[in-house]
Amino acid sequence: QQPVQSPQAVILREGEDAVINCSSSKALYSVHWYRQKHGEAPVFLMILLKGGEQKGHEKISASFNEKKQQSSLYLTASQLSYSGTYFCGTPGAHQGAQKLVFGQGTRLTINP
Amino acid sequence: EPEVTQTPSHQVTQMGQEVILRCVPISNHLYFYWYRQILGQKVEFLVSFYNNEISEKSEIFDDQFSVERPDGSNFTLKIRSTKLEDSAMYFCASSLAGATQYFGPGTRLLVL
Repeated sequence: QQPVQSPQAVILREGEDAVINCSSSKALYSVHWYRQKHGEAPVFLMILLKGGEQKGHEKISASFNEKKQQSSLYLTASQLSYSGTYFCGTPGAHQGAQKLVFGQGTRLTINP
Repeated sequence: EPEVTQTPSHQVTQMGQEVILRCVPISNHLYFYWYRQILGQKVEFLVSFYNNEISEKSEIFDDQFSVERPDGSNFTLKIRSTKLEDSAMYFCASSLAGATQYFGPGTRLLVL
């Protein structure tokens, strides 16, 4: 079952903030965040492994609420380079070589 | 920094033909994956591979698909008889410990 992301698309001016949400109907043990620019591979941003965990990458941070089965990605003072589609991925049930099940993506456009 | 590489970057083939997509995972990684992304859609899991065997496969990965690790460095995806709906971007990914996955640049496959 794929996680659900919201919003589907965001348009910002450079310097503005955004929040992207990822929620799941089943228990979450970890959440992986990726950014994909048009025509390129998804690039790993961060992984959150524990409930309550927060992490940061540049001015991008994320939180993970295990109880609510959701994660949020925060982009502060956005830069043009942040444009792209953001995917959250959650591991499948299988142990070991865990596949990632991705949400449908959130397209972020940063305008000057 | 080590990265996953894939060849070819683009492949055009006729329906019914066989194609082999090649990947060189990051050298000390143990888990390997193939994903695909139809244009404008989310990234979908195809298959995971560990210890020289398939760990898990999706319903997309039917008898027309196979994977192989013919030597210590390459990881291949073969599609025996391509269909129009196989047209997509195919990403290889690798992981050291089955958690964080690093994606290659992808092979864009077009079936005519």
